[in-house]
Amino acid sequence: SQKIEQNSEALNIQEGKTATLTCNYTNYSPAYLQWYRQDPGRGPVFLLLIRENEKEKRKERLKVTFDTTLKQSLFHITASQPADSATYLCALDMNGGSQGNLIFGKGTKLSVKP
Amino acid sequence: EAEVAQSPRYKITEKSQAVAFWCDPISGHATLYWYRQILGQGPELLVQFQDESVVDDSQLPKDRFSAERLKGVDSTLKIQPAELGDSAMYLCASTRGQGESGYTFGSGTRLTVV
Repeated sequence: SQKIEQNSEALNIQEGKTATLTCNYTNYSPAYLQWYRQDPGRGPVFLLLIRENEKEKRKERLKVTFDTTLKQSLFHITASQPADSATYLCALDMNGGSQGNLIFGKGTKLSVKP
Repeated sequence: EAEVAQSPRYKITEKSQAVAFWCDPISGHATLYWYRQILGQGPELLVQFQDESVVDDSQLPKDRFSAERLKGVDSTLKIQPAELGDSAMYLCASTRGQGESGYTFGSGTRLTVV
């Protein structure tokens, strides 16, 4: 079965630096790979989606890369701020569309210190 | 901005009792999911609906859990009888099913079984 590894349980960085989070998976490449932000006691919030035929996607200070050869996605937050502190979840959608469902990693807890 | 509504927000119940959670997805979202998230883990799919039909309930412990979406709109997840190991956050999500917009999650129901 598909396994997802977000290989840092926690990441601590200084304000203004770039945070880089890693998501690795086994077996087959997903149709889509998604990143979510989750604050304590709340549901995940969708951030970005990247398709298997896309290398990179950007949204404001966020950038996601997808390497199907390495079976890895990197999630970058540039010019990080304390408000970016949260848990970030990687999720795979193997099928895409209405028949797909998401398989989530355990998440990486990011702390941005002022 | 449209939200996925869930209630109750918190629930404490004694083991062997019945408990029910309610979810109202975003209007027009045909696909609805129930996920369970144990503290420190990523969400895990329990059941997926397309309109009123179950698409995937392979991970739903059917001896004690049931889910329905009778009119293809709101949904109820029930546990009977509750066990100590059921303590978790129960998350509902919905999507149009076209992938690009990600999933919209509700704030969840935090269940504690004592």
